[in-house]
Amino acid sequence: AQSVTQLGSHVSVSEGALVLLRCNYSSSVPPYLFWYVQYPNQGLQLLLKYTSAATLVKGINGFEAEFKKSETSFHLTKPSAHMSDAAEYFCAVRMNSGGYQKVTFGTGTKLQVIP
Amino acid sequence: AAGVIQSPRHLIKEKRETATLKCYPIPRHDTVYWYQQGPGQDPQFLISFYEKMQSDKGSIPDRFSAQQFSDYHSELNMSSLELGDSALYFCASSSLLGELFFGEGSRLTVL
Repeated sequence: AQSVTQLGSHVSVSEGALVLLRCNYSSSVPPYLFWYVQYPNQGLQLLLKYTSAATLVKGINGFEAEFKKSETSFHLTKPSAHMSDAAEYFCAVRMNSGGYQKVTFGTGTKLQVIP
Repeated sequence: AAGVIQSPRHLIKEKRETATLKCYPIPRHDTVYWYQQGPGQDPQFLISFYEKMQSDKGSIPDRFSAQQFSDYHSELNMSSLELGDSALYFCASSSLLGELFFGEGSRLTVL
């Protein structure tokens, strides 16, 4: 079965500092991986996705993630944190279930940006 | 661009009452998913539909049922509501094997 594990339920960074949110996957087949962001009281917004086309994926708002098969990781990074990045971030994996797809989420990481 | 529309955005019910949530997918998307997100929790998959047929089932209680209609909108019906059903319910839509796009969610509060 495919799954994702997010390391760290809370991450705090200073404004302007590097953001690194960790996600490791478990999959017996090449996975489709996603990062979603959820702002307070809002829905889930797709940040970026990995679909095997390129290992370094660029998303919205300056975020990017690198797929590393050797480390089974898909960590999310941003060079310089902005106050508006404060939100909860979910890593997710898409798996095929009986010919259809299902997306399973990690437990989420809350990012706090300190002025 | 059109997004996934959910209604109502907020709903307050008493225990043992019934609630219905609606989801209107992005045009030309044929697959609808329902997720439940409890306070401080990650979204949990409930059920999905492809072309009006149930395609997968997750941790959906027997008190809940859902269907997808001919216009591809979906409804989640919840009966005998319990306090623990208070959560944010998300609907997502996709084309088959495409990425999921989520609605803003419907917040259900059970008193």
